[in-house]
Amino acid sequence: QKEVEQDPGPLSVPEGAIVSLNCTYSNSAFQYFMWYRQYSRKGPELLMYTYSSGNKEDGRFTAQVDKSSKYISLFIRDSQPSDSATYLCAIIIPGGKLTFGQGTILTVHP
Amino acid sequence: GAVVSQHPSRVICKSGTSVKIECRSLDFQATTMFWYRQFPKQSLMLMATSNEGSKATYEQGVEKDKFLINHASLTLSTLTVTSAHPEDSSFYICSGKTRETQYFGPGTRLLVL
Repeated sequence: QKEVEQDPGPLSVPEGAIVSLNCTYSNSAFQYFMWYRQYSRKGPELLMYTYSSGNKEDGRFTAQVDKSSKYISLFIRDSQPSDSATYLCAIIIPGGKLTFGQGTILTVHP
Repeated sequence: GAVVSQHPSRVICKSGTSVKIECRSLDFQATTMFWYRQFPKQSLMLMATSNEGSKATYEQGVEKDKFLINHASLTLSTLTVTSAHPEDSSFYICSGKTRETQYFGPGTRLLVL
């Protein structure tokens, strides 16, 4: 079983839609959870990180962690064409390394 | 957020030559940096962990003699691809570790002809 599983999509939505991106993880000992956005031919850009269950909001982005079900989500409100990118969930595993989900390709069309 | 730079952003070289890629943390000190490679439409693959002042730790299957890593200061790590071959062509990305997370550089695209 992979440490982090992410639906690769692709996901295509109209501008203004609410986007929901999801990952599951296998080890309940994991504590730090991150979402990165990666545009084509660029390095990943950190969007949000959290280490507790519940919601964390930053502008149009909300990260949600449910440790009881080992489920993490990223919601994007009022999605824009500029949000079109690959979204990667990531978890810090013991030793400080990051393990990534497969990435979800998102396209927001005007 | 913290900023990590990489240089060069793109390099084309002939087979058999060596290429050095620099990774700098611009506004924080990174005791630990990581090197990844990424093939098209795939996720990042960790190559090695670079610790300032000590030898790098390589992931299984990564040749340490081919991918030389030096982390001589708290803000600079270098990756040298020695005797590069076309199969080494890839997107190389570094990251700097903070207490909570990792911040990534913009990546270096290597093309070996």
